[in-house]
Amino acid sequence: QVQLVQSGAEVKEPGASVRVSCKASGYTFTPYYMHWVRQAPGQGLEWMGYVYPKNGGTNYAQKFQGRVTLTRDTSSSTTYMELSRLRSDDTAVYYCVRENYYYDYWGQGTLVTVSS
Amino acid sequence: EIVLTQSPGTLSLSPGERATLSCRASQSVSSSQLAWYQQTPGQAPRLLVYGASTRATGIPDRFSGSGSGTDFTLTISRLEPEDFAVYYCQQYANLPRSFGQGTRLEIK
Repeated sequence: QVQLVQSGAEVKEPGASVRVSCKASGYTFTPYYMHWVRQAPGQGLEWMGYVYPKNGGTNYAQKFQGRVTLTRDTSSSTTYMELSRLRSDDTAVYYCVRENYYYDYWGQGTLVTVSS
Repeated sequence: EIVLTQSPGTLSLSPGERATLSCRASQSVSSSQLAWYQQTPGQAPRLLVYGASTRATGIPDRFSGSGSGTDFTLTISRLEPEDFAVYYCQQYANLPRSFGQGTRLEIK
């Protein structure tokens, strides 16, 4: 069965960077775009961008341009989301999501807390 | 960028009642590339409907989606206790992908 398993919760200080991983299993990794979506506490869903595992191509939301980097490792079927220059308003749950036109499988989410 | 506006923000109903949730797009969503998701507290969203009207695998038939162009609706025909949650619409026709702000369905 398809599974997306994300790395554990992180606590970071303002200005630091965080990297969250998402390991895929149960399907062929490369043909499906992997998107990242975040959700601040009590708020809605916000699209961050995607990586295409087949060739590593990316597209980022304008809001995160220059701060977010999405990468993949095809040997381990894992995608990574790195967010730099963290601020307190980056505190959120970060999800990786497989796109099959729509979002058919979601990771369990990773809570990133930014606090001094 | 396609902006999705959901209404109402909160809907208070009783089990057994019918729920109608709306999602309006700022421009036409081509090929009805609109999906609905359900989110319960502490959980990741779950796909309910895609292509505006196709139920995802395992979704009960009390959930139905309709609409095209700029106006879309999710209907829950008879509310069950587990249906009280937050619902989001999302368009996957254009980049950037976008979500509505959500409708909270609460028990009256």
